[in-house]
Amino acid sequence: DTAVSQTPKYLVTQMGNDKSIKCEQNLGHDTMYWYKQDSKKFLKIMFSYNNKELIINETVPNRFSPKSPDKAHLNLHINSLELGDSAVYFCASSQHPGQTKETQYFGPGTRLLVL
Amino acid sequence: QKEVEQNSGPLSVPEGAIASLNCTYSDRGSQSFFWYRQYSGKSPELIMFIYSNGDKEDGRFTAQLNKASQYVSLLIRDSQPSDSATYLCAVNQFMLNAGNMLTFGGGTRLMVKP
Repeated sequence: DTAVSQTPKYLVTQMGNDKSIKCEQNLGHDTMYWYKQDSKKFLKIMFSYNNKELIINETVPNRFSPKSPDKAHLNLHINSLELGDSAVYFCASSQHPGQTKETQYFGPGTRLLVL
Repeated sequence: QKEVEQNSGPLSVPEGAIASLNCTYSDRGSQSFFWYRQYSGKSPELIMFIYSNGDKEDGRFTAQLNKASQYVSLLIRDSQPSDSATYLCAVNQFMLNAGNMLTFGGGTRLMVKP
């Protein structure tokens, strides 16, 4: 059983299009995250949701809109895609927000290429 | 701005040697420190976390933390070719009811040569 899954795995699209990436976790975790990893391998947090509520929203263009229909799902919708959006997007989840030892589990990633 | 710095490498070590990976961080309030391993084209996977000064050992891996120097390291003993990957250091900023907001370093690429 895949703990954190993402679809699609690969996404190639044209500039200006709108696309969505889906994420699901079956670990029963309360908190989910979206990260972006650019070509230089820097992994940066974009959003964090705790029990369907947005907690962290780092400086991300408002073309990016996360949506959490329930605590097991966190989807990412991107409007008007730009070349600079090309990256690998990772979903992650964790169980205990209040604990120092809390670890995050990552999905397999979605490789987005904007042409 | 909170930063996590790592040497990008590549760090090349012969099989069987000890690989030493280093990480410095700027936020003195950081409580927990994580080492993730990422194979090319794959997602990060957790190797170890540490939150107390000193050493923490798990098999061939030892994490070392020195909060006064704002320094965390990962030692890999008896390095194997299968250890070749990028190692990401992550430092948490704890936010109440929001979980750990992890700030990642840029990663160090390790190459273990047979």
